[in-house]
Amino acid sequence: KQEVTQIPAALSVPEGENLVLNCSFTDSAIYNLQWFRQDPGKGLTSLLLIQSSQREQTSGRLNASLDKSSGRSTLYIAASQPGDSATYLCAVIGNQFYFGTGTSLTVIP
Amino acid sequence: DAGVIQSPRHEVTEMGQEVTLRCKPISGHNSLFWYRQTMMRGLELLIYFNNNVPIDDSGMPEDRFSAKMPNASFSTLKIQPSEPRDSAVYFCASSWTGGGEKLFFGSGTQLSVL
Repeated sequence: KQEVTQIPAALSVPEGENLVLNCSFTDSAIYNLQWFRQDPGKGLTSLLLIQSSQREQTSGRLNASLDKSSGRSTLYIAASQPGDSATYLCAVIGNQFYFGTGTSLTVIP
Repeated sequence: DAGVIQSPRHEVTEMGQEVTLRCKPISGHNSLFWYRQTMMRGLELLIYFNNNVPIDDSGMPEDRFSAKMPNASFSTLKIQPSEPRDSAVYFCASSWTGGGEKLFFGSGTQLSVL
């Protein structure tokens, strides 16, 4: 069974810092990988989808990379802002969607 | 498109009562997923449908839980009888398999069983 791990579980950074969130998975036979953001009391909002044939995707200040062979993905957030504070989850897409437990990010003004 | 629509947003009920959660997936999507989220266990897949057919219900906790998808635009998750440990946020999500598998979530139903 696919297992998805996100480290760290929580992260606190001062505003303006660049940061990296990590996602690792045990089975490299995946179709895609998707990063989500979840604000407290809200649903999950899709940030980036990386196809298995791609190595990275960018959207604004966000950049996600995928290394299938090593079972890793990273989400890079440039110039962090307080509005980036949320929980970030990665989902690995094989025969179904497998979610990590998330990283809770706090950006301190 | 209005996105994935779930109702109700909040449900408070007493132990032993029947609870029905509803979901309308994004039009054109052919896969639908029901998830449960708690602080302790995170996001758990309960069941998913493809083309209205249940594909994997191994995440359904017990026989008290049942899900149906009578057509491509509607699904229900029913708990009968409900118990306090069922209290959680229940999410519905949909995707179009063959289109990059991107998953879209509804806003969730916050269920409290007293």
